[in-house]
Amino acid sequence: SQKIEQNSEALNIQEGKTATLTCNYTNYSPAYLQWYRQDPGRGPVFLLLIRENEKEKRKERLKVTFDTTLKQSLFHITASQPADSATYLCALDPAEYSGAGSYQLTFGKGTKLSVIP
Amino acid sequence: AAGVIQSPRHLIKEKRETATLKCYPIPRHDTVYWYQQGPGQDPQFLISFYEKMQSDKGSIPDRFSAQQFSDYHSELNMSSLELGDSALYFCASSIRGSGKNTEAFFGQGTRLTVV
Repeated sequence: SQKIEQNSEALNIQEGKTATLTCNYTNYSPAYLQWYRQDPGRGPVFLLLIRENEKEKRKERLKVTFDTTLKQSLFHITASQPADSATYLCALDPAEYSGAGSYQLTFGKGTKLSVIP
Repeated sequence: AAGVIQSPRHLIKEKRETATLKCYPIPRHDTVYWYQQGPGQDPQFLISFYEKMQSDKGSIPDRFSAQQFSDYHSELNMSSLELGDSALYFCASSIRGSGKNTEAFFGQGTRLTVV
């Protein structure tokens, strides 16, 4: 069956360190993968999208990698700050190629990141 | 910039009642999605619309129905409510056209409590 797994439910990290979150998927061949941030009681907010032909993508202190062989994406936050504390969700579209008729993001269960001052 | 607007923000209903949730997507977005998120759970895809036509269906119960209107706003109708329907319901919108895989923009959600 198709699965998206995020490595841990919770991750505690010291302020200033790099947080690394993992997203693994099985029985999907996504054309791209997305990362979202969700604060309690609020809707997910888009952070980064990485395509299958991209190995790495950066945005300010964020970096995402995508290894289609390992079926894994890593999400890094460098120089983490307490304001980065939130739940981070990876998401992918089950469609196997971009532009396919369907568009239904499937989310992982998320990793709750706590950055400790 | 305009965001996805959902109403109401909070809703309390009794078992077996009916609820209607509304979503106003970002202007010029052609795709609307509905998600259900239970406590401590990831968002579960319910249904999506592309250009006012139903596009995909996920784990939406038969008691639920949705539609998108000519002004692109969407409504999720939930009947015969059960305690287990208590959750956050998110609407999201995006631009799908031309094969662009753009991000989804989520609303603030409607918190439905069934008592």
